[in-house]
Amino acid sequence: AQSVTQLDSHVSVSEGTPVLLRCNYSSSYSPSLFWYVQHPNKGLQLLLKYTSAATLVKGINGFEAEFKKSETSFHLTKPSAHMSDAAEYFCVVTLDSGTYKYIFGTGTRLKVLA
Amino acid sequence: NAGVTQTPKFQVLKTGQSMTLQCAQDMNHNSMYWYRQDPGMGLRLIYYSASEGTTDKGEVPNGYNVSRLNKREFSLRLESAAPSQTSVYFCASSEKGGRETQYFGPGTRLLVL
Repeated sequence: AQSVTQLDSHVSVSEGTPVLLRCNYSSSYSPSLFWYVQHPNKGLQLLLKYTSAATLVKGINGFEAEFKKSETSFHLTKPSAHMSDAAEYFCVVTLDSGTYKYIFGTGTRLKVLA
Repeated sequence: NAGVTQTPKFQVLKTGQSMTLQCAQDMNHNSMYWYRQDPGMGLRLIYYSASEGTTDKGEVPNGYNVSRLNKREFSLRLESAAPSQTSVYFCASSEKGGRETQYFGPGTRLLVL
C-alpha cells in the first residue's frame, strides 16, 4: 500500500536562509510524486512533480526536490527563503496511470521569520 | 480561463440540513475529485469521477453523494449534514489519473452547527 510521511509538521526559517521540507514515501511500484503549496485560505498549487524522468526536479519560485529511491525520499528545498514562501506544503504520492487515488501527506507549515 | 471554480465559498448549515457543493472546470479534463481538508490530516478523497458518466468512492464517502453532471461539472451533496462534516472541501480535476497533475479549486468552507 502507498503512504507518505511528512516528517515535520512545522518548520521555521529566517528570511534568506535555506528551506528543507522532508517527505518520505512508501510504494511497491514506481511512484509519481508531487509537492503542492497552499497559501492561507487558498486552494493548492502545484510546485513540482516527479514522474520517473530526471531525479532532480525543478519547480516554480526557486523550489526543487530530489527523488532518492534508495532512501524513499522526496525532500523539497529552496536555497533562500522569502517571506512570501510562508504557507503549508503537501507531499503527494500516486502510482502509475490507472489509479485515481492520490495520497496526501499531513502537511508542513513553513514560517519565515524576518 | 478560470480553471476550477467552486460555489459557494462559505456555508453554515444546521444539523440535518442538506446542501450541494458545485464544481466546474474549463480545462476539458476527464477526471474530477472531491476532497475534504481537516487540520493535521491532509486532504482525504471523498469521491472521484474518472470520466464523464462514472463515479467511485474514495477514502471517506459516508454521508456524501456525487453527480458528474457533464464533463465540466461535478457536484457533491450532503443529504443530512452532521457536525463531523464541518471541513474545507476542495474540488480538483486532472487530464486523467495516475501521473497527471491535479488542479484545485479555491475551496468551500462548511460549518455544520
